[in-house]
Amino acid sequence: DAGVIQSPRHEVTEMGQEVTLRCKPISGHNSLFWYRQTMMRGLELLIYFNNNVPIDDSGMPEDRFSAKMPNASFSTLKIQPSEPRDSAVYFCASSLVGPTEAFFGQGTRLTVV
Amino acid sequence: AQSVTQLDSQVPVFEEAPVELRCNYSSSVSVYLFWYVQYPNQGLQLLLKYLSGSTLVKGINGFEAEFNKSQTSFHLRKPSVHISDTAEYFCAVRNPGNQFYFGTGTSLTVIP
Repeated sequence: DAGVIQSPRHEVTEMGQEVTLRCKPISGHNSLFWYRQTMMRGLELLIYFNNNVPIDDSGMPEDRFSAKMPNASFSTLKIQPSEPRDSAVYFCASSLVGPTEAFFGQGTRLTVV
Repeated sequence: AQSVTQLDSQVPVFEEAPVELRCNYSSSVSVYLFWYVQYPNQGLQLLLKYLSGSTLVKGINGFEAEFNKSQTSFHLRKPSVHISDTAEYFCAVRNPGNQFYFGTGTSLTVIP
């Protein structure tokens, strides 16, 4: 398996623009997590899905952020409109439910100017 | 609710010296414990995990960790570090509700 695949790896956008980050989890995994990593706040859980259903989105910072998982093999995290403070590395991770680890993608480095 | 505390934000250590990275967690239920490593510009990679059974677990790259239920700790150790071990290390807890909680990370710097 190719692991968790995120795209793009790098994104530079202007303030106010819409940004969409994409994630393909490992085949067969039924849990998917979106994290944001910054120097100031470390690794923050934004939202996670079980069987394509959002279970906990309490980490989503504002209404500008939204996440979807239309099927078991694809998820998106959208920021609209983007702001400079959204600049961070965004990670997607997937796992099986239960006593097992999460597998992380390589991350998307987002820069909002 | 669960929380994970990594007591040291930065740990400098000389090459070939031993190292211990500390992790404590709080939880009212049984949890699963993990250590991850992150190299620059990369994602997190699993080092080792404790799910059940023996409290001493061994992972990749010569690392090991010991689960101590009474002290709610899961410290990571390596008897002799290499330059290539320089990285960020994260302790994580997974509860039966399926969520992962991560510590704030420990930056390990190995000095030649």
